[in-house]
Amino acid sequence: GNSVTQMEGPVTLSEEAFLTINCTYTATGYPSLFWYVQYPGEGLQLLLKATKADDKGSNKGFEATYRKETTSFHLEKGSVQVSDSAVYFCALIKTTDSWGKLQFGAGTQVVVTP
Amino acid sequence: ETGVTQTPRHLVMGMTNKKSLKCEQHLGHNAMYWYKQSAKKPLELMFVYNFKEQTENNSVPSRFSPECPNSSHLFLHLHTLQPEDSALYLCASSPNSEVTDTQYFGPGTRLTVL
Repeated sequence: GNSVTQMEGPVTLSEEAFLTINCTYTATGYPSLFWYVQYPGEGLQLLLKATKADDKGSNKGFEATYRKETTSFHLEKGSVQVSDSAVYFCALIKTTDSWGKLQFGAGTQVVVTP
Repeated sequence: ETGVTQTPRHLVMGMTNKKSLKCEQHLGHNAMYWYKQSAKKPLELMFVYNFKEQTENNSVPSRFSPECPNSSHLFLHLHTLQPEDSALYLCASSPNSEVTDTQYFGPGTRLTVL
């Protein structure tokens, strides 16, 4: 079946540090891939997405590239801020599925300290 | 962002109680979803509604009963729950339930079953 694996947290960083959160997936076919972010006390928000191999999603300084050969979609940001403290979820949808059946990883908590 | 609202935000109930969670979206979307977010586990899709019709029931126990009276409102009726049902219940909506439609999440209802 489909699955998403992401690195366990919490990841603790200092402000302006480089952030990487690893995400790998298993799926038949060619899924679409997403990163969602959940700030404290809020629901999930779409951060970025990529729908085919070699696509790069980017938003708010975050980037992730769809790597079919390594089945990965790692999230990166060059210089984090305290306001980036949140839980980050990697997710996929199989494009052969009906309906929006997002499948999520377990989430990675990121804590950025001043 | 108030596109998707959920009430109540917190709920404590006993195992013999009956309660309902409410979700409302103001985005003109046609698809709505219920997810369960438990500690240490990935988000689990519970139900999908498209144009008020239930299109997915992800093997959810019958003590959870969804209702979608129109495309803007979604309810989750709860009865005879178990302590392990304690979790954050998230509602989401999307323009339709096409596989690549972005899903917009509400802030969730934190449910505690005593």
